[in-house]
Amino acid sequence: AQSVTQLGSHVSVSEGALVLLRCNYSSSVPPYLFWYVQYPNQGLQLLLKYTTGATLVKGINGFEAEFKKSETSFHLTKPSAHMSDAAEYFCAVSDRGLTGGGNKLTFGTGTQLKVEL
Amino acid sequence: DAGVIQSPRHEVTEMGQEVTLRCKPISGHDYLFWYRQTMMRGLELLIYFNNNVPIDDSGMPEDRFSAKMPNASFSTLKIQPSEPRDSAVYFCASRYNRGLDIGETQYFGPGTRLLVL
Repeated sequence: AQSVTQLGSHVSVSEGALVLLRCNYSSSVPPYLFWYVQYPNQGLQLLLKYTTGATLVKGINGFEAEFKKSETSFHLTKPSAHMSDAAEYFCAVSDRGLTGGGNKLTFGTGTQLKVEL
Repeated sequence: DAGVIQSPRHEVTEMGQEVTLRCKPISGHDYLFWYRQTMMRGLELLIYFNNNVPIDDSGMPEDRFSAKMPNASFSTLKIQPSEPRDSAVYFCASRYNRGLDIGETQYFGPGTRLLVL
């Protein structure tokens, strides 16, 4: 079964500092990988995803993530944090394929990002 | 596009009452997903539909929960009778299927915050 581990349920950074949110997955074959962001009292919004091709994926709001098969990781980074980045971030994984696990997202437990002045 | 629409946004009810949550997916999307988010269990997939047909309901917690999709633009999640442990945020998401294995994005609604007293 697929699983996702997000290290650190809370991360605090200063405005302008590097943001690094960690995600490791467990899968027998390279899955599809997603990062979603959830602002307070809102639904989840896709930041970026890895499906195939280039392993460095760029998303919205200056975020990017790199798929590292050897490390089974998909860490999310942003060079310079902004106050508006304060939110909860979820890493998710799905199987490849058009049926079964290919249609299901398995989410990590989330990382709450706090940005301080 | 208006995005995924959910109603109500907030629901407060008493234990034993029937609760009905509603979802309108993005037009043209043929997959619909219901998730539940709690502090204890995080984001869990409850059930998903393809072309209005329930495909996998293995995440539905018990028989008190039921979901229907009478047409392509409407789905309901019903809890009868409701219990305090059902208190959570319930999300609906939808996705397009182009018949290609390319890791299509799920788009989430704003959620229904349910409190059962």
